[in-house]
Amino acid sequence: AQSVAQPEDQVNVAEGNPLTVKCTYSVSGNPYLFWYVQYPNRGLQFLLKYITGDNLVKGSYGFEAEFNKSQTSFHLKKPSALVSDSALYFCAVRDRTNQGGKLIFGQGTELSVKP
Amino acid sequence: GAGVSQSPSNKVTEKGKDVELRCDPISGHTALYWYRQRLGQGLEFLIYFQGNSAPDKSGLPSDRFSAERTGESVSTLTIQRTQQEDSAVYLCASSPRGLAGADTQYFGPGTRLTVL
Repeated sequence: AQSVAQPEDQVNVAEGNPLTVKCTYSVSGNPYLFWYVQYPNRGLQFLLKYITGDNLVKGSYGFEAEFNKSQTSFHLKKPSALVSDSALYFCAVRDRTNQGGKLIFGQGTELSVKP
Repeated sequence: GAGVSQSPSNKVTEKGKDVELRCDPISGHTALYWYRQRLGQGLEFLIYFQGNSAPDKSGLPSDRFSAERTGESVSTLTIQRTQQEDSAVYLCASSPRGLAGADTQYFGPGTRLTVL
């Protein structure tokens, strides 16, 4: 079965420090990979996606993610965290063979950045 | 331009009543998706529309759930005889094309449904 795992329910980081939010997946073939962020009482906002090519993808608000095919991972990173980055982060995958394009989401990771 | 909009933003209903949730996608987007987000959990796929047809309904949890879409415009998700386990945030998303590519799905703010 296709699945996405975000092993950490919560990540705590001090402002100015680098952050990593982990994501691993189990999907056949080479899926498309996405990160979304959700602020309280808001919908999901798109951060970045991996389609093909360079394994390091750069996205909005200084975030980037690294695709690792051998480890089936797509970890989200940022060199220097801001308090305003505190939110709920979701990793999602899409099977390239699925014509409809439904996304399979992880359970989410709550990022807390303290001053 | 305008993003995906959903109404109502909040809906409180009594067990056994029917509810209708509305989604207005981004203009010109042919693909439309409904997801459900239970408290503290990730999003679960419900149904996908390409135009006004629904090639993938695999996520609808029971026959109490149905959805329709008018052309490439508004969609409504209907839940009949609501149950307490239906309480969740229902999110709608749209993308330019559903059939090919890695189009980004753009999400609306959601409708928070509470069944008493």
